[in-house]
Amino acid sequence: GDSVTQMEGPVTLSEEAFLTINCTYTATGYPSLFWYVQYPGEGLQLLLKATKADDKGSNKGFEATYRKETTSFHLEKGSVQVSDSAVYFCALSEYGGATNKLIFGTGTLLAVQP
Amino acid sequence: NAGVTQTPKFRVLKTGQSMTLLCAQDMNHEYMYWYRQDPGMGLRLIHYSVGEGTTAKGEVPDGYNVSRLKKQNFLLGLESAAPSQTSVYFCASRPGLAGDLGQFFGPGTRLTVL
Repeated sequence: GDSVTQMEGPVTLSEEAFLTINCTYTATGYPSLFWYVQYPGEGLQLLLKATKADDKGSNKGFEATYRKETTSFHLEKGSVQVSDSAVYFCALSEYGGATNKLIFGTGTLLAVQP
Repeated sequence: NAGVTQTPKFRVLKTGQSMTLLCAQDMNHEYMYWYRQDPGMGLRLIHYSVGEGTTAKGEVPDGYNVSRLKKQNFLLGLESAAPSQTSVYFCASRPGLAGDLGQFFGPGTRLTVL
């Protein structure tokens, strides 16, 4: 079945450092790909998405490019801030599926130190 | 708009007790979902609904029941709680299949079963 694998955390960075969180997926169809962020004590918020190959999703300085050839959707940010500390989830939903269920990775905790 | 709300925010149960978690959304969304979040496992789908009056099993449905009597509400029931059901429960909704916008999440309910 479909699955998402993302790098284990925690990832600890200093403020203004470059961030990469790796995400790869396995899917039989043509999934849409998402990054969700969960701040402490809160629910998940959609950070960015891409619905087809070579699409780039971006929001709040974060970017991710849908790479069909490497089945990847890595999350990047050029300069992280303390306020970016959160858990980041990569997820997919299969295009055209009857329910558009989301399949999540296990999450990566990012801790940004001042 | 309040978005997706969940009641209660916290609950402690004894083994064998029952309870119902309420999810409400005011966005007129068709699809609603219940997930549980456990350390190191990401989010796993318990049950979902593709419209008023419909429900279906997700990845981990055992020990839970759901009902969608009104479009805006999705109830998750535990008939006889077990310690293995200690988790954080998230509800989510989405408008439909067209234009994959991802899912909108509630703030979560933290449940402890003693």
